[in-house]
Parts: sequence; structure tokens; C-alpha cells
Amino acid sequence: SQQGEEDPQALSIQEGENATMNCSYKTSINNLQWYRQNSGRGLVHLILIRSNEREKHSGRLRVTLDTSKKSSSLLITASRAADTASYFCATELQTGANNLFFGTGTRLTVIP
Amino acid sequence: KAGVTQTPRYLIKTRGQQVTLSCSPISGHRSVSWYQQTPGQGLQFLFEYFSETQRNKGNFPGRFSGRQFSNSRSEMNVSTLELGDSALYLCASTLRARNTQYFGPGTRLTVL
Repeated sequence: SQQGEEDPQALSIQEGENATMNCSYKTSINNLQWYRQNSGRGLVHLILIRSNEREKHSGRLRVTLDTSKKSSSLLITASRAADTASYFCATELQTGANNLFFGTGTRLTVIP
Repeated sequence: KAGVTQTPRYLIKTRGQQVTLSCSPISGHRSVSWYQQTPGQGLQFLFEYFSETQRNKGNFPGRFSGRQFSNSRSEMNVSTLELGDSALYLCASTLRARNTQYFGPGTRLTVL
């Protein structure tokens, strides 16, 4: 089964509002990465947070990581119509293997 | 720097045929990973190559294979295609382990 589960599966908000997506995973990780995907195209890397970090910011993005709860959240502030996309969390495990386990994704729709 | 490139972008094949997909990583990146994305199974790891050696492999049948050349370009091959192989195939490159993986635009394979 997949490493991560994301919540909610779909989210619809008005432009200017904040969007929060959550990701839970099952085993110990080395890092967690968030990606965006527009309409079945390639994945665009948003942010990477390492297991020893608790919070990270990048522009309008804020990511938190709680390794005790095995969960992460992605906050997009002041959303724009261009933020409409699917968002995936991906974990790199501590096993040493350099591959990512992806969550199920959250489909975000920002209404202008 | 140019990003990860994948060719072809779209491909239509019939059952029983074989297919070869190509991926050129970001200049200087020596690790290339392949992923399959389907509506039912989501994003799943296929395999990773580093310095022309397969370093890690996902849970896919032997019909899926790959290789990496000395210039780090990678190819994946799927033999005896099945309808269920229809998917978006993504490759990603990374400079070294524990770092961001950068994805290409993907190859959309349709098996009829």
C-alpha cells in the first residue's frame, strides 16, 4: 500500500482564502516533500522538509512536520486561481533507498 | 540549467507490443528514478539507476526494465504490453540521495 494518505481528497476554496492539506504516513522517514501537479502533467517540486525540522516556509507556502504523529501539513496562503492543481506529499524512508512513496493527493480548486 | 526531459510525450501501442521511453536528467545529476501514475494505483516507484547500475526496484513484474547510460540518460522498456500498463510514466533526477527529486513532464502511454 502507499506510504501516505492525504486529507482532504478534494478542496474547493475562494481566491484569497487559505488552503490546508494534510498528509499522514506510516514509517520513519528521512524527509518529506510536497509536489504540485497540473492536469496529469509532470510534478513540480514545492518544498522539502527533513525529519529533524518542524516547520519550513517558501513564499506563500508553509509546511509543518510532526514525526511523533507521522503527519505533515501544507498551508497555501492567499490562494490564487493558478494554485488550482493536485498536491502530493512524498516521503523518503530511512531505509537508505532513494525512492519516494507518494500520498493519494489532494485536488485543490481555487475559484476566482 | 535545462530540466528533466522525457521523450516521447505521448505514445499509443497495442497489447503485446513493447515500448521504450527515454529520460534525460538535469545536467550533473547521476540518479534517475522512474514512476508510474495511474488513476487507480496513484504514483508508484518503478526503479532507480545510479551510475549505470540499478540501485533500487519497486514491486513491478519483470516486463518492466530499464537501463542507464554513461551520460546518465535512462531508458525504460515495457515488453508484452497489457491494457493495465496505460499510464503516465514519470522520471525524476536528483543530484544525490536525500535531496530533491526533479520530475520531467512525463510520457503518456495508452495501450489499446
